[in-house]
Amino acid sequence: EIVLTQSPATLSLSPGERATLSCRTSQSVSSYLAWYQQKPGQAPRLLIYDASNRATGIPVRFSGSGSGTDFTLTISSLEPEDFAVYYCQQRYNWPPETFGQGTKVEVK
Amino acid sequence: EVQLVDSGGGLVQPGGSLRLSCAASGFTFSSYSMSWVRQAPGKGLEWVSYISSSGSTIYYTDSVKGRFTISRDNAKNSLYLQMNSLRAEDTAVYYCARVSGSSGYYFFWGQGTLVTVSS
Repeated sequence: EIVLTQSPATLSLSPGERATLSCRTSQSVSSYLAWYQQKPGQAPRLLIYDASNRATGIPVRFSGSGSGTDFTLTISSLEPEDFAVYYCQQRYNWPPETFGQGTKVEVK
Repeated sequence: EVQLVDSGGGLVQPGGSLRLSCAASGFTFSSYSMSWVRQAPGKGLEWVSYISSSGSTIYYTDSVKGRFTISRDNAKNSLYLQMNSLRAEDTAVYYCARVSGSSGYYFFWGQGTLVTVSS
């Protein structure tokens, strides 16, 4: 089973600041990695797939990069609606497909 | 518009059973694989089970093997999760999700249904 480790657990930032979230995998997943955003009481929403492709309707301030075992989700300038929990997911070697434990982006 | 509506959750005693349903609309259900993903209170996401478009390929996470059964009825555009021998650690919000055609990511999710296992 591939383990995904996200860091930091919590990111405290102000609106307008840049957010950089990390996801490391226990073995290479090539570029088969996705990022999801989840707000309280809501289902997750897919932001980025295949490491760097934005899903339909996702603002350009969200970008993904990386391959192999190290991946990054960047939010260039935080909007109020971006404060949420973010999860990475690998679908390279499954089952089981696995998720990271999440990074909470909170208002500083 | 793609819609997935989860239902069937509730309070059940340890050892009990529950059947979750996911009603799909807005797309050709029979063409897509589907999964169940759960989230325990205050915790992260955990994949539970997968079923291919025809139902011929099925996978489960180890902790539910032998207790949960995923199925689908393509004529009714519905996905199911039969959960038996429920444990306290199965308490979670259960989401159905549509698997994208090639890469397998979850572009569409149900709203979730809460399963609480407690005496």
